[in-house]
Amino acid sequence: EIVLTQSPGTLSLSPGEKATLSCRASQTVSSNYLAWYQQKPGQAPRLLIFGASSRATGIPDRFSGSGSETDFTLTISRLEPEDFVVYYCQQYGGSPITFGQGTRLEIK
Amino acid sequence: QVQLVESGGGVVQPGKSLRLSCAASGFTFSGYGFHWVRQAPGKGLEWLAFMSYDGSNKYYTDSVKGRFTISRDNSKNTLYLQMNTLRAADTAVYYCARDHGEAFDPWGQGTLVTVSS
Repeated sequence: EIVLTQSPGTLSLSPGEKATLSCRASQTVSSNYLAWYQQKPGQAPRLLIFGASSRATGIPDRFSGSGSETDFTLTISRLEPEDFVVYYCQQYGGSPITFGQGTRLEIK
Repeated sequence: QVQLVESGGGVVQPGKSLRLSCAASGFTFSGYGFHWVRQAPGKGLEWLAFMSYDGSNKYYTDSVKGRFTISRDNSKNTLYLQMNTLRAADTAVYYCARDHGEAFDPWGQGTLVTVSS
């Protein structure tokens, strides 16, 4: 099983700042099948990034993904108030499909 | 618009069974694979099961293998999750999600299952 470790657990920043969220895999994620999701309180997760760096339909360009093999990053270039929620990474290349434990973005 | 709506959740006693449904609309249901994912209260996401577009392939995570069964009825545009021998640890919000090829998109709003005596 591929274990995904997200860091930090909580990130405290201000609106307008840049956020960098990390996701490290215990082994290589094949074909860069790494996705990022945003989850707002009381809502289902929403797909942000797939294939490590491709934005999903309708996702603002302030969200970007990068990385390969075992190290992946979600960057939010200029934080908006609605971005202060929880983010999960997911690997789709190995069985079982696994998720990271999440990073909570909070207002400083 | 593309929509997934789960139903069937509720309070159930340990050892009992429950069947969840996921009704799809706004797209060709029979052309997609689907997943079930759950989220225990205050916790992260756990993938449970996958079924291919035609039902020929099914995969499960170890923690539910032998207890949960994923199925679908393409004539009703509906995905199911039959959950047997439920335990307190199965208490969670259960989501269905469409397979995107490289991710899950979209997700339903979820249905809460509470296992308690």
